[in-house]
Amino acid sequence: GAGVSQSPRYKVTKRGQDVALRCDPISGHVSLYWYRQALGQGPEFLTYFNYEAQQDKSGLPNDRFSAERPEGSISTLTIQRTEQRDSAMYRCASSLYGAGLSNEQFFGPGTRLTVL
Amino acid sequence: AQSVTQLGSHVSVSEGALVLLRCNYSSSVPPYLFWYVQYPNQGLQLLLKYTSAATLVKGINGFEAEFKKSETSFHLTKPSAHMSDAAEYFCAVSDPSDNQGGKLIFGQGTELSVKP
Repeated sequence: GAGVSQSPRYKVTKRGQDVALRCDPISGHVSLYWYRQALGQGPEFLTYFNYEAQQDKSGLPNDRFSAERPEGSISTLTIQRTEQRDSAMYRCASSLYGAGLSNEQFFGPGTRLTVL
Repeated sequence: AQSVTQLGSHVSVSEGALVLLRCNYSSSVPPYLFWYVQYPNQGLQLLLKYTSAATLVKGINGFEAEFKKSETSFHLTKPSAHMSDAAEYFCAVSDPSDNQGGKLIFGQGTELSVKP
């Protein structure tokens, strides 16, 4: 497909386990964003890449959260030692360009993470 | 810091009635403004965007929004609601001068219900 894809769509894990969430952006898109959306809330920015470079990680809640995009395409968001408060929908978006333009972001369907 | 406020977490209208979803923003510079729609089990889809051109912006599915700087508002309207418009709507803002790539700041969302 031509859209942003994310896997898995649903992830249930036990507290203390590590999880890795994957995002496959639209081919050719320079910028990739991760957001977290709690139930009943709007998405909240986590981090952002231009190509393989992580430009802004100011939204990552703590050092248990990390993200990478080693080849400038697919990205992985990793949460170590998961806690129940990490339960949320994790959304990925990509855009053709980043800063300075109208920056239309195309969103994937999200990964619903549940930490028991 | 930028912020977005959506007045009303739930709005209910009758089919054929006017749709009005309210969004107010706080920003130190003229921002870019967006409305996204989220259908169940799908990613967010861009409805329309304001990027400092015309203040009245037309989007998909008959929606439009007007940027009013004096009121710091960007309300979303549609003259006649359709059953298929039932979804959650998010207003978002980004800073055109943001050298970090235009991350989006979202409101908390408004769920629109359409009654037959």
